[in-house]
Amino acid sequence: EAQVTQNPRYLITVTGKKLTVTCSQNMNHEYMSWYRQDPGLGLRQIYYSMNVEVTDKGDVPEGYKVSRKEKRNFPLILESPSPNQTSLYFCASSFTRGLTDTQYFGPGTRLTVL
Amino acid sequence: DAKTTQPPSMDCAEGRAANLPCNHSTISGNEYVYWYRQIHSQGPQYIIHGLKNNETNEMASLIITEDRKSSTLILPHATLRDTAVYYCIVYGGATNKLIFGTGTLLAVQP
Repeated sequence: EAQVTQNPRYLITVTGKKLTVTCSQNMNHEYMSWYRQDPGLGLRQIYYSMNVEVTDKGDVPEGYKVSRKEKRNFPLILESPSPNQTSLYFCASSFTRGLTDTQYFGPGTRLTVL
Repeated sequence: DAKTTQPPSMDCAEGRAANLPCNHSTISGNEYVYWYRQIHSQGPQYIIHGLKNNETNEMASLIITEDRKSSTLILPHATLRDTAVYYCIVYGGATNKLIFGTGTLLAVQP
């Protein structure tokens, strides 16, 4: 089944404790991205990757890192999480970032930073 | 900022057609209209997209006005499982990323 998976689905952590949220897709997509969703602010893009070893900042990259060493994986790293990073996170992928590319979203990761 | 305007909420009776409007008066010639939906904190789900012709797939129909300044998503026979937030997004050309606005919360009533 074609899908985007994220792990963990739920995470409660404390300020400053490094964490990684994994994202994997099995559709051989080149383009992957991370979004966060907060009440009243909608979905905002954090980082995106056009292909292996190519990443770039989205609208809200502060406090996050990403890497794209393999085509299928695009982990989101929070080196020193803070409470304002408490949010619902979504990973998405598409074949390319072309005019008509449909993005497929993962199920989401709900992160709470205490 | 989102380039679309949608009503914040709508109701629809189960089994009836749900017609969700969207205004995108500043759309440019090479930008597409996309519709996604999000069911209660799940990942957004692609529904349909179009450029200027009406489109239909197994989920919905998309009607785009001739001047392309507005569109309507039609769910022909709404079910309770169609209760979700529906996002109308203009994408492509100079707008090279999905910008989700606040969407329309569609509540399908039994």
